[in-house]
Amino acid sequence: KNEVEQSPQNLTAQEGEFITINCSYSVGISALHWLQQHPGGGIVSLFMLSSGKKKHGRLIATINIQEKHSSLHITASHPRDSAVYICAVCNNNAGNMLTFGGGTRLMVKP
Amino acid sequence: KAGVTQTPRYLIKTRGQQVTLSCSPISGHRSVSWYQQTPGQGLQFLFEYFSETQRNKGNFPGRFSGRQFSNSRSEMNVSTLELGDSALYLCASSLDQGSKSAYTFGSGTRLTVV
Repeated sequence: KNEVEQSPQNLTAQEGEFITINCSYSVGISALHWLQQHPGGGIVSLFMLSSGKKKHGRLIATINIQEKHSSLHITASHPRDSAVYICAVCNNNAGNMLTFGGGTRLMVKP
Repeated sequence: KAGVTQTPRYLIKTRGQQVTLSCSPISGHRSVSWYQQTPGQGLQFLFEYFSETQRNKGNFPGRFSGRQFSNSRSEMNVSTLELGDSALYLCASSLDQGSKSAYTFGSGTRLTVV
């Protein structure tokens, strides 16, 4: 079993829809990162979380440390949100190196 | 301010050759980490350097090595290239480890081994 699991693997939405991407992990962590990767490979860091909730524009990220679960929400989705979203955890048991989920490929249709 | 710069962007090498990739971090960032991304394995951690010292190493063979210079620029080297080394290699810089500060990623070097 992978240490970081994301769901769904693929997601298609209509413009304007509310989107949720989930991340579950099985290791002790010191922080969790949400990343966005567009075609071509460039990765942008969206959030770094160690507790609670963060909001940036239309993006909201939450984490529940007790349940070892995090969610990334996109409100009023737009075609430019189409990308791969990756959850990564700083693994306490591995010197805080990043361990990645498999990614969620999101397509938002106009 | 300038972002994280990786050079070259694209590279084609032959099996058995060696390759060196470069990463210049954001000014003031002392931590540089390297990652390999393949369609089959996804993103995997290679190693992390902080103040010229390797702080962490992922589960990769010894053919993969790296170093960091006093100006925080980092290089990674892959010797005796194999077809399976074809991948997108990404580096990221941060003020400190990723448990304490966010990462900024470079655009990556796409390596093709033929």
